[in-house]
Amino acid sequence: EVQLVESGGGLVKPGGSLRLSCAASGFTFSSYTMNWVRQAPGKGPEWVSSISGISSYILYADSVKGRVTISRDNAKNSLFLHMNSLRVEDTAVYYCARDLGDYVGLGYFDFWGQGALVTVSS
Amino acid sequence: IVLTQSPGALSLSPGERATLSCRASQSVSSIYLAWYQQKPGQAPRLLIYGASSRATGIPDRFSGSGSGTDFTLTISRLEPEDFAVYYCQQYGSSPGTFGQGTKVEIK
Repeated sequence: EVQLVESGGGLVKPGGSLRLSCAASGFTFSSYTMNWVRQAPGKGPEWVSSISGISSYILYADSVKGRVTISRDNAKNSLFLHMNSLRVEDTAVYYCARDLGDYVGLGYFDFWGQGALVTVSS
Repeated sequence: IVLTQSPGALSLSPGERATLSCRASQSVSSIYLAWYQQKPGQAPRLLIYGASSRATGIPDRFSGSGSGTDFTLTISRLEPEDFAVYYCQQYGSSPGTFGQGTKVEIK
């Protein structure tokens, strides 16, 4: 059974940093592009970042470029999102999601984690 | 590409047919259009990809159609578990984008 479990969310002040993790199981993790997708309260989802199976290709949304870094550890079946210079508008539930698309950054998502809430507030 | 979903909310009874629309600001390449269902407190669930292909385990009462800039999700007969928010997503042009959602609520 495919499982994705996020951790690391919480309350952080504007300008602060946070590291999200996603533990994957039930599939060959290194064979899939993985993504972070966020959803602000009452809004539709927003793609944040993608990383290919062996980290050869990485893409970021313009809204987070320069402030976040996606990475993965295939030996530990784990995906990460390091977020810096956080803003109030980064407040959202952050999901890790498995990608079935043909190209990195142009995929659809067949499995999602339960999400990690990130709240940026003073 | 901006995706505009309509209506914003749909009030229907179990057993009725639901028709949800997703309109793109530009043509979506090669029918790279997906639909998701989301219930309160849960992650989105993939229903349809490639505009009309059902994901694994999705009942055949869900169907997708359309091309270019106009896409439709149809639920032929609403079951109690189908009342939720539905999102479309295009993944043919970078960055992939989602619509703002259509809420299907019980009448």
